[in-house]
Amino acid sequence: AQTVTQSQPEMSVQEAETVTLSCTYDTSESDYYLFWYKQPPSRQMILVIRQEAYKQQNATENRFSVNFQKAAKSFSLKISDSQLGDAAMYFCAYPTLDAGNMLTFGGGTRLMVKP
Amino acid sequence: AAGVIQSPRHLIKEKRETATLKCYPIPRHDTVYWYQQGPGQDPQFLISFYEKMQSDKGSIPDRFSAQQFSDYHSELNMSSLELGDSALYFCASSLGLAGVSGELFFGEGSRLTVL
Repeated sequence: AQTVTQSQPEMSVQEAETVTLSCTYDTSESDYYLFWYKQPPSRQMILVIRQEAYKQQNATENRFSVNFQKAAKSFSLKISDSQLGDAAMYFCAYPTLDAGNMLTFGGGTRLMVKP
Repeated sequence: AAGVIQSPRHLIKEKRETATLKCYPIPRHDTVYWYQQGPGQDPQFLISFYEKMQSDKGSIPDRFSAQQFSDYHSELNMSSLELGDSALYFCASSLGLAGVSGELFFGEGSRLTVL
């Protein structure tokens, strides 16, 4: 079974600084997507960034970037110039490639941003 | 841009009652996923539909059923409600299976409280 692990239940960062959230996963597939979702207090799951496993280049979306290490099955999220609005739960997720392509989530990391 | 619409946003029911949650996917999206998120937990996959057919089944209780209609909207029916069913229920949609398209968008969720 595929698993997704986020080893940091909580992280904090000073406003304007950089923070990295860790995620590891387990799969035997060679081509797949990986996602980071943000869940603010409003509770809606918002897609932050996605990575295609066959692409060696790390995905970047404005202040958000990933460090994708396919061999190590690691997919960390880096947030640069952290803002107060970045405070949220962050979930790493991976869709299986069997019948349903269901998304398996990690346990989440709560990010706190200090002013 | 149109997003995934879920209704109702909030629902309060008594034990042993029945509840129905609705999900309207993003236009042209043909795949719908249902997730349940208990307090302080990561989302757990319940069930998914692709082109109006069930494509995968997760930890959905036998008391729950769901379907996807001809207009691609989906309904989650929950009967004999228990206190433990209190949770945030997310619907997500994608064009094709998420693991292939790399796109999965979530609604704002329906919060069910069972008293």
